Amino acid sequence: EVQLEQSGAEVKKPGESLKISCKGSGYNFPNYWIGWVRQMPGKGLELMGIIYPGDSETRYSPSFQGQVTISADKSITTAYLQMSSLKASDTAMYYCATIRITRNLPGLFDYWGQGTLVTVSS
Amino acid sequence: QSALTQPASVSGSPGQSITISCTGTSSDVGGYNLVSWYQQHPGKTPKVMIYEGNKRPSGVSDRFSGSKSGNTASLTISGLQAEDEAHYYCCSYATSRTLVFGGGTKLTVL
Repeated sequence: EVQLEQSGAEVKKPGESLKISCKGSGYNFPNYWIGWVRQMPGKGLELMGIIYPGDSETRYSPSFQGQVTISADKSITTAYLQMSSLKASDTAMYYCATIRITRNLPGLFDYWGQGTLVTVSS
Repeated sequence: QSALTQPASVSGSPGQSITISCTGTSSDVGGYNLVSWYQQHPGKTPKVMIYEGNKRPSGVSDRFSGSKSGNTASLTISGLQAEDEAHYYCCSYATSRTLVFGGGTKLTVL
């Protein structure tokens, strides 16, 4: 059974840094892209970026380029999302999800983590 | 890349059919047959309902169907049921080599 287990909820102060994790199991972790998706309170889904754990190739959505760092450690089947200089506007639910390749391109998000709620407040 | 454009809300009565549109550009929706649709109930994780424009994953009701014309993709739900009330998001592969979501549509079953 494919599972993505995310780290627990975080409460941070403005200006602090954060690294959340997503541990994959039940599948060949290095060979599947993983995406990080932000969902601000009451808002829609936004893809932040994707990573291929096999070689750590990373692609960022333009809005998030330079704002976050996505990484992965295939030896422990875990992907990470790192954010620094947090602001109140970073308060959101953050999801990781596996991406299935269809027609030789990233085509859909098929398995999702449970989400990590990040609250940034002074 | 900009978010794909979806109507903010749609509604329908039980048993009726509704269609949700998703408009992009030739750099995303129009350029690839890689539109997927997700259903999200409040407090839950998204669930894929359609991929590659018109394919249903195993276990998804055949009341859900997808199509595309030019730069606009559509999700149709027939025989509306109360349990279909949720937010729906389209998503497409894009020339940026990532994927882009639509803004989301709230479906209300009257």
